[in-house]
Amino acid sequence: RKEVEQDPGPFNVPEGATVAFNCTYSNSASQSFFWYRQDCRKEPKLLMSVYSSGNEDGRFTAQLNRASQYISLLIRDSKLSDSATYLCVVTPYSNTGNQFYFGTGTSLTVIP
Amino acid sequence: ETGVTQTPRHLVMGMTNKKSLKCEQHLGHNAMYWYKQSAKKPLELMFVYNFKEQTENNSVPSRFSPECPNSSHLFLHLHTLQPEDSALYLCASSQDRLAGDHRAITDTQYFGPGTRLTVL
Repeated sequence: RKEVEQDPGPFNVPEGATVAFNCTYSNSASQSFFWYRQDCRKEPKLLMSVYSSGNEDGRFTAQLNRASQYISLLIRDSKLSDSATYLCVVTPYSNTGNQFYFGTGTSLTVIP
Repeated sequence: ETGVTQTPRHLVMGMTNKKSLKCEQHLGHNAMYWYKQSAKKPLELMFVYNFKEQTENNSVPSRFSPECPNSSHLFLHLHTLQPEDSALYLCASSQDRLAGDHRAITDTQYFGPGTRLTVL
């Protein structure tokens, strides 16, 4: 079983739409959770960390459900500039703390 | 945007060549990483250096050889690669901290722009 699983999409949504991505993880002892964004032919960049109580950053809201082992990302009022691949990242609780598990990413295209 | 730099940005090499990828981080971090990103696959962690010591080696073939001379620089030496090694190679860095139980926690990784490698 994969450590992290995401629906690869693609998600094609009109400008202004609300879109949500889910990501499931297999290790119940996972410690930290993130959403990264990767533009075409560019490096991944941190979009937001995901906290147990859920957190919001402008149009972006992240939620964590430990019981069901999934995290979600909600994007409201989609902009053309939101078009990218969104990577779910999970880190296990380990002595080294260095192991990041990435999902394959969910592709989003926002259409004018 | 220049916190983590990588050179070269593009590399084409034959299977008998020897080349090296270079990464430099200007963020004062204590951990550095090499990842491989192939099409339709998740990022694969290759090597981790924490305080200049290699702490992870995820069953990477010996034709890939990492080197970390100091906490700011990381190299990936390549020799006798195969066409299936063609991919985007990403370097990342992070600042680890210790939790109350002395386990290390990595909060965020910062990636370089990557080297797009093609093996002919």
